[in-house]
This record gives sequence, structure tokens and C-alpha cells, in this order.
Amino acid sequence: NAGVMQNPRHLVRRRGQEARLRCSPMKGHSHVYWYRQLPEEGLKFMVYLQKENIIDESGMPKERFSAEFPKEGPSILRIQQVVRGDSAAYFCASSSGTVHSPLHFGNGTRLTVT
Amino acid sequence: DQQVKQNSPSLSVQEGRISILNCDYTNSMFDYFLWYKKYPAEGPTFLISISSIKDKNEDGRFTVFLNKSAKHLSLHIVPSQPGDSAVYFCAASYSGTYKYIFGTGTRLKVLA
Repeated sequence: NAGVMQNPRHLVRRRGQEARLRCSPMKGHSHVYWYRQLPEEGLKFMVYLQKENIIDESGMPKERFSAEFPKEGPSILRIQQVVRGDSAAYFCASSSGTVHSPLHFGNGTRLTVT
Repeated sequence: DQQVKQNSPSLSVQEGRISILNCDYTNSMFDYFLWYKKYPAEGPTFLISISSIKDKNEDGRFTVFLNKSAKHLSLHIVPSQPGDSAVYFCAASYSGTYKYIFGTGTRLKVLA
């Protein structure tokens, strides 16, 4: 499957625990985006990364959230000390990085904080 | 600050008729617009895009129209099919940034 792969599909965490969401971009893509969708809302931009670099994290909460895209391996979105308000669907997308190229999305990770 | 707006949260259309989904934007720097379709429990799927140098782009049953002066775009689906029932998101970006801003989505229901 050459599409964007996200895992896990579902993740349940208790308040205060850490959540790690993984994303492998499409083959040949080196640009990764993370979006969050809260219930009954649209897709909110969180962060845009290229290999080993965070390019734009303007949509990321200042505390508890971090993202990385190492030279080897998937991109990771990390949420420390999760709270109930973090419950949402988190979507990863990738692109080739050329101007005006569409984003290709994975099927998301649904995080539930109990 | 919602730069991309989809003011109709839902739309119902009879099978075989035209579906028209609307999207408005406020940032005049946007020069690339996209439409995505999303089924439950799946990620958004790219449908069609349009650059600001055009006012229309067509792909099969899907046509996107762009009115730059009104800062408005629309997606036409003709003829509508029950499999088109999904949530549709419009998105926008501009050259010099890689950020894509999404609207809140319109839920389309095509009735058989």
C-alpha cells in the first residue's frame, strides 16, 4: 500500500498519560502535515514538517504537543499528559512539496481520553 | 479567524440532480483551492483543485467554479449519486506557504 499510513487507528489513554501517533507518508513524499478534527468541526492545521525540520507549527498548542519527522522512520505526533479535550481524530497528510500539489491523507488516529 | 467558510453544514439532493456545494474565503492571497470528500472513519480524499488563474476546472461529474472578485468557489456534482453522500471540505492555500486552510465541511446526502 503506497498510501499514507497512520497507526494506531484507535488509541485510548487515561488523563495524564502520553499519546504517540505515527504517520508514514506516501512513497516519494517528504512533506508531512498533521491536522486535528474535533467532533462536529473541520480540519485544523497543527504542524508542517519536512525531513528533520519543523517548517510551520503555528497550529500546535504551545504546551504538551510536539512533532518530529526524523531522517529515518515515521513522523510522530506526541501529546504529553493528555486531557479530555485532546480527544479528537488526528489526520496526517503528505505531499510531494511542489507548488500547488494536493495533500494526501491517511485514515487518521482516533484518540479517546478517559 | 475562519479564513475559509462553508456556511451550509448540510445539503440533501435527489439522485440524478445537481449538487452545489459552496465555499467562501476572506484572504485575497489564496491562489490555490481544493475540494476533498470524506467518508466516516476514513481520511479526506482529494477530489479536484483549481488555480486562481482559472475560473473553472472540470473532472468527470465534478466541476469547480472560482469567482475571485466574490472570493467564492463552488463544487458542482452532476448527476449526483448515492455514493456521493459524504462530507465535503474546501481548502485553500497561497504560494509561499505550504499551509492548507480547510473549511468546516458540508454534509451531502444524496437520496435514492
